[in-house]
Amino acid sequence: DTGVSQNPRHKITKRGQNVTFRCDPISEHNRLYWYRQTLGQGPEFLTYFQNEAQLEKSRLLSDRFSAERPKGSFSTLEIQRTEQGDSAMYLCASSLSPSSYEQYFGPGTRLTVT
Amino acid sequence: GQQLNQSPQSMFIQEGEDVSMNCTSSSIFNTWLWYKQDPGEGPVLLIALYKAGELTSNGRLTAQFGITRKDSFLNISASIPSDVGIYFCAGQRPNSGYALNFGKGTSLLVTP
Repeated sequence: DTGVSQNPRHKITKRGQNVTFRCDPISEHNRLYWYRQTLGQGPEFLTYFQNEAQLEKSRLLSDRFSAERPKGSFSTLEIQRTEQGDSAMYLCASSLSPSSYEQYFGPGTRLTVT
Repeated sequence: GQQLNQSPQSMFIQEGEDVSMNCTSSSIFNTWLWYKQDPGEGPVLLIALYKAGELTSNGRLTAQFGITRKDSFLNISASIPSDVGIYFCAGQRPNSGYALNFGKGTSLLVTP
């Protein structure tokens, strides 16, 4: 399967702990996006990369959040000092420039902060 | 981000019926996309629309990009039980980078 993959699929952590999620985009897709989705809502944009460059960050991405894409392939999203409000589904998507508006999503990582 | 208003919020229909849902905004969009999401999974892209007035089909699904660029609709013909899920519209605004703005979704239930 050559779709977007995310690991882990589920993560339960205690408040105050750090967590890291990984996303592997569709190969040859040079744009990678992170979104967050809470229950009953649509996905909300967090940040996106073109190759290894982080080009846009939303105001939702507080300073406890950091994302990297060091070699322009996989990406990681780290949340430090997790809070209960961070509980959500974290979705990764990728797209192929120049048809970049068609974003293909992975299965997501469900984070529960207790 | 700019809120997209989806309606209806939920639909409960019988197998074989046609379904229509729409998405509106107070701002114009350059691109409209429709996704379907199953519980515990990521959204799956159904249809992408790039020009005002464009009408595009994908099997039993048909979507249109509104002339005003502020709305879009999705029709599903002859619904089947596997159409069950949440349908999201998403749009990309002019001069706003590549972030997509999503609606809150329309939940579709289909009874055999």
